[in-house]
Amino acid sequence: NAGVMQNPRHLVRRRGQEARLRCSPMKGHSHVYWYRQLPEEGLKFMVYLQKENIIDESGMPKERFSAEFPKEGPSILRIQQVVRGDSAAYFCASSPAQGSYQPQHFGDGTRLSIL
Amino acid sequence: GDSVTQMEGPVTLSEEAFLTINCTYTATGYPSLFWYVQYPGEGLQLLLKATKADDKGSNKGFEATYRKETTSFHLEKGSVQVSDSAVYFCALTLNTGTASKLTFGTGTRLQVTL
Repeated sequence: NAGVMQNPRHLVRRRGQEARLRCSPMKGHSHVYWYRQLPEEGLKFMVYLQKENIIDESGMPKERFSAEFPKEGPSILRIQQVVRGDSAAYFCASSPAQGSYQPQHFGDGTRLSIL
Repeated sequence: GDSVTQMEGPVTLSEEAFLTINCTYTATGYPSLFWYVQYPGEGLQLLLKATKADDKGSNKGFEATYRKETTSFHLEKGSVQVSDSAVYFCALTLNTGTASKLTFGTGTRLQVTL
């Protein structure tokens, strides 16, 4: 499968635990985006990363959320001390380069449920 | 800020009916426009795109024309099928040299019945 791979597909955490969501971009893609989709809503941009760099994190909550895209391995979205309001579907997208002419390709998402 | 407004759903149509889903946008710059489709339990798939005024994007029988004068990008299909049932998202990204984040509308659910 040459598409964007996200895991796990479903993740259940209790309040106060940590959640780690992983995203492997399409082969040849060096740009990764994370979006959050609340129930019955559209996707909201969270963060845009290139290898080892955060380019735009204007959509990330200031506390508890962090993201990285290391030189080797997948991109990670980390949520510390999760709360009920973090329950959502988190989608990763990748593109081969920056610029609006490069469409973003999405993974199937991680559905996070907080008990 | 930038925003996308879509018509409320759900839209329920009989098979072979004509489909229009309205989308209008507000942008501080000169955007590229996209339609994405999301099937249950899946991620978003790019349906079509247009990068400049008067461009028409088309794919799988769906079409949308970039109308700068009305800031619109309405999605149309002449004859829908049951398999078209999904949620459709209109989105934009600004044509800048830096970040290319997508701004989405809230989505319109389409239900096609026999």
